[in-house]
Amino acid sequence: TQLLEQSPQFLSIQEGENLTVYCNSSSVFSSLQWYRQEPGEGPVLLVTVVTGGEVKKLKRLTFQFGDARKDSSLHITAAQPGDTGLYLCAGVGGGSYIPTFGRGTSLIVHP
Amino acid sequence: NAGVTQTPKFQVLKTGQSMTLQCAQDMNHNSMYWYRQDPGMGLRLIYYSASEGTTDKGEVPNGYNVSRLNKREFSLRLESAAPSQTSVYFCASSPGGAPDTQYFGPGTRLTVL
Repeated sequence: TQLLEQSPQFLSIQEGENLTVYCNSSSVFSSLQWYRQEPGEGPVLLVTVVTGGEVKKLKRLTFQFGDARKDSSLHITAAQPGDTGLYLCAGVGGGSYIPTFGRGTSLIVHP
Repeated sequence: NAGVTQTPKFQVLKTGQSMTLQCAQDMNHNSMYWYRQDPGMGLRLIYYSASEGTTDKGEVPNGYNVSRLNKREFSLRLESAAPSQTSVYFCASSPGGAPDTQYFGPGTRLTVL
């Protein structure tokens, strides 16, 4: 079983602050995805990274895939209350096409 | 285009009762999944169906059964509900390919007393 460790588990910050969420594993993944889940809803895909060292930007969100494809990070610049939610990373590898999900980082951004 | 729909949205059962959670997708996806989400545990895969007519166990299949009725529908059945099955259940579908993308339904919040 491929395990994904996310940190921190909880994050409570003020509007305008920057933050980084980490997703780490000892396993190599062929691709890694980040999802955001708002209260009462299902997760929604934000981004997929497939190449070691890849960096993708989505407005104020920057996603990076580690060179060895074992870890990833999500950086949010100038967080806004609308960024509040549960952020989940999910990795695909080991010959399976089904993603393994991390336990998530719960983010609250206070106005 | 409704995406992935789930019914019911909320359900309360007594220990030992049975029920079926329904899921349907209108995106012509081949693969469908059932997950449960518990606080601090992330999403854990219960069962999945790679294509119509096939089903396979995931990480936590005990106490559940599934049916892939057709390409659109994938149901999850609890034959004898237990308090440990109190959770939020999500259905998802994906088109296939690599990398694949999962599309989730809104979830069913189940409480077993």
